Order: sequence, then C-alpha cells, then structure tokens
Amino acid sequence: QVRLVQSGAELKRPGASVRVACKTSGYNFTHFYMHWVRQAPGQGLEWMGWINPQTGDAKYMQTFLGRITLTTDTSIDTAYMDLTSLTSDDTAIYFCASEMSVWGQGTTVIVSS
Amino acid sequence: EIMLTQTPLSLSVTPGQPASISCKSSLSLLHSDAKTYLYWYLQKSGQSPQLLIYEGSRRFSGVPDRFSGSGSGTDFTLKISRVEPEDVGVYYCMQSVHLPGVTFGQGTRLDIK
Repeated sequence: QVRLVQSGAELKRPGASVRVACKTSGYNFTHFYMHWVRQAPGQGLEWMGWINPQTGDAKYMQTFLGRITLTTDTSIDTAYMDLTSLTSDDTAIYFCASEMSVWGQGTTVIVSS
Repeated sequence: EIMLTQTPLSLSVTPGQPASISCKSSLSLLHSDAKTYLYWYLQKSGQSPQLLIYEGSRRFSGVPDRFSGSGSGTDFTLKISRVEPEDVGVYYCMQSVHLPGVTFGQGTRLDIK
C-alpha cells in the first residue's frame, strides 16, 4: 500500500524558515517524481515544484524561486521541502504528492508574530 | 502562462442525478507523446485531494465507475452519472503538459440538495 506521511504542524515567525518532510512507503521511491502543492486557508491548490528522486533534479514555480529547495534522502525514502523568508502569505497546508497521484495528509504551516 | 477555467464554480445536485463539470484550457493539453495530461481531483472537506481521472479519461485505481472524464485538446468534462452523498467536495482539474509549471483550475464546489 502506497503511503505518504508528512511531518507535523509548524508555527513560525515571519522571516523564519520551515522544513516539511514526506516519508514514503509501499513503492519504489526513486521511480516517481515528488511534487509539492500548497493550499492557503479557504483557497485553491497551488503547485510549488517537483523533484526527481533518482537524479535530484528539481523544478520550481517562478513565484517561489530563491526561497524554495526540494531535496530527497533515498536511503530513507523521504522527500523534503524547505521554504525560507516566511511571511503571513505562506500560511497554508503543504502537501507532497507522488507523481500527483497519491498525496500526503498535509502539513499545516502557520506564520505569525 | 496556461490557464484552466472551470465551470460552474458551484453546483447543487439531488442524489441519484447526474453532474457535469467543464474545464477549458488556454492551450492544448495534447503532448507530443500523444497523451493528454489532464487530471481530475476531488478534495473532500479536511482531506487531501484524491485523484479521480488521469490522462483525460482514465479512471484511477479504486474510483467508482460513476465518474468519467472526456474531452481533448482544450475542452474537458468530468461527469458523475449518479451523484451520491459522499461525492460532496471541491473538484479540481489540473494540467501537467506545459512544464515546469503544473496548473490547477479554480475548483468547483459540489453539494447535495
């Protein structure tokens, strides 16, 4: 059974950074791109980027360039999303999604002073 | 920049009746590999999005056959042959042809009369 389990909720101050982890199981982690998507409160879905776990190659949405880094640790089948220089606009639920087919449960990130 | 426009933005359906959601793209979603990278998701309240349809018309594993996708080029439709109470939520279309950016539609909220 394919599972993506994400790390717990985060409360961050403006200007801080956050790391969200996505632990996978039940499939070959390196065979499928991992995407990251976020959803601000009451809003729609916003794609952030993807990473190829096999090569480490990553592509990012223009609006996040310079603030986002996607990485993977293939030894533990886990993907990470790092976002820096947080503002209140980054308050959202962050999802990982393997090949956009199976999704994690989401991680709530709240940015507040 | 590619845009996906969903209509209607909300609909209210009597159980057992059909429902239909349109997704129009500003660019063709036909890839050079002859596949059409248009997906449909349902996000139930408080949950992660779940994949219903991929490549325009292919039902994802475990998705009931009352859900069907159709269309080509720039015009696509998701149909529910007989709506059930558990179909309530927000439906999103998504494209992944025009990379590096995955794009979502605005979402269509379905509720039960």
